[in-house]
Amino acid sequence: NAGVMQNPRHLVRRRGQEARLRCSPMKGHSHVYWYRQLPEEGLKFMVYLQKENIIDESGMPKERFSAEFPKEGPSILRIQQVVRGDSAAYFCASSPPGTSGSLDEQFFGPGTRLTVL
Amino acid sequence: DAKTTQPPSMDCAEGRAANLPCNHSTISGNEYVYWYRQIHSQGPQYIIHGLKNNETNEMASLIITEDRKSSTLILPHATLRDTAVYYCIASARTGTASKLTFGTGTRLQVTL
Repeated sequence: NAGVMQNPRHLVRRRGQEARLRCSPMKGHSHVYWYRQLPEEGLKFMVYLQKENIIDESGMPKERFSAEFPKEGPSILRIQQVVRGDSAAYFCASSPPGTSGSLDEQFFGPGTRLTVL
Repeated sequence: DAKTTQPPSMDCAEGRAANLPCNHSTISGNEYVYWYRQIHSQGPQYIIHGLKNNETNEMASLIITEDRKSSTLILPHATLRDTAVYYCIASARTGTASKLTFGTGTRLQVTL
């Protein structure tokens, strides 16, 4: 049973370009969470999604960031017009159906490290 | 979620017990204490969680004070592979995703 998959593992973008980060949840999981970890800081919640629905996006920056979790395929975190301050590690976690979003129910992926030049 | 306070770093000799403290003096009655670790910038790994009773699993033990204002994670026989950043988080179990912030944790260095 494969764990949470994220790709790419490393992504380099120039300022102004778009970054697309993908997260494939564990098999059977229908809830996805995205977190961001800035250098030398802890993880911070960004967004919580279920299939085709955004449940909570209170941690998402108001501009340039969007997330989706379509009926088929991985969840996508999209960052438009990236700036140097977007350089960070972005982690995805997933949990099974019927869970309430509590921390112990979330399984984390290996992360995508975004570097903006 | 309650704010937690941890020492920034600790050292431990291999084979000895590692005792990692955490203060959470403003914890609410419905908030659990969770411990995660992050090895060399990998994804966070769940260790243990508890509400008010002490807990033990194959990885660690969690000791929560009677007033629940602090706790200690115990790795009974630390190995070099336990070198990581350890995060203590106080959080309720339901509808919590939007409140989660891991903080800066304790960087544990296990040495020979």
